[in-house]
Amino acid sequence: AQSVTQLGSHVSVSEGALVLLRCNYSSSVPPYLFWYVQYPNQGLQLLLKYTSAATLVKGINGFEAEFKKSETSFHLTKPSAHMSDAAEYFCAVSGTNFGNEKLTFGTGTRLTIIP
Amino acid sequence: EADIYQTPRYLVIGTGKKITLECSQTMGHDKMYWYQQDPGMELHLIHYSYGVNSTEKGDLSSESTVSRIRTEHFPLTLESARPSHTSQYLCASSDVRRVSFAFGSGTRLTVV
Repeated sequence: AQSVTQLGSHVSVSEGALVLLRCNYSSSVPPYLFWYVQYPNQGLQLLLKYTSAATLVKGINGFEAEFKKSETSFHLTKPSAHMSDAAEYFCAVSGTNFGNEKLTFGTGTRLTIIP
Repeated sequence: EADIYQTPRYLVIGTGKKITLECSQTMGHDKMYWYQQDPGMELHLIHYSYGVNSTEKGDLSSESTVSRIRTEHFPLTLESARPSHTSQYLCASSDVRRVSFAFGSGTRLTVV
């Protein structure tokens, strides 16, 4: 079974500073990995996904993530934080074979942007 | 943009009532899922379906039931609502290759 661990339930950065949200996965085989963002009282919006193509994945709103097999990590970054980035971020993992497609989520990281 | 719809968006209902949360998608996705999310918490899979007439229990035990009679429709039913069922319920769908994995806006259920 796959799982993800998000380090840091709360992260605060200043506007314009680098955003780094950490995610480590556990899987016996390389999985598919996802980052979702959730704004208050909203559903989930896909930021980006890794599906065994390029290891550096670019997503929406200037976010990107790099799949590092040696570190079992899929950290989310953005060079310069905007106030609109304040939200809850979830890392998720799924298997790659039939019957193992369910998404398993991390506990989430709440990102606060300091003006 | 995702074409997956959940109704109602918000629901406040009394204990003991039967409720059905609706979820529909227009993308022709074969796989659909229900997640439960308590405020400020992670999402837990409670039901999923790989196609018509296919339903399975998820990782988190739930007293709700689901049905999948049509590809596009995946309703969730609580026969007798209780305050412990108060939560947000998110529906999702994905295609065979998981190129697209989309979520609805959720139903926020409050049982009083």
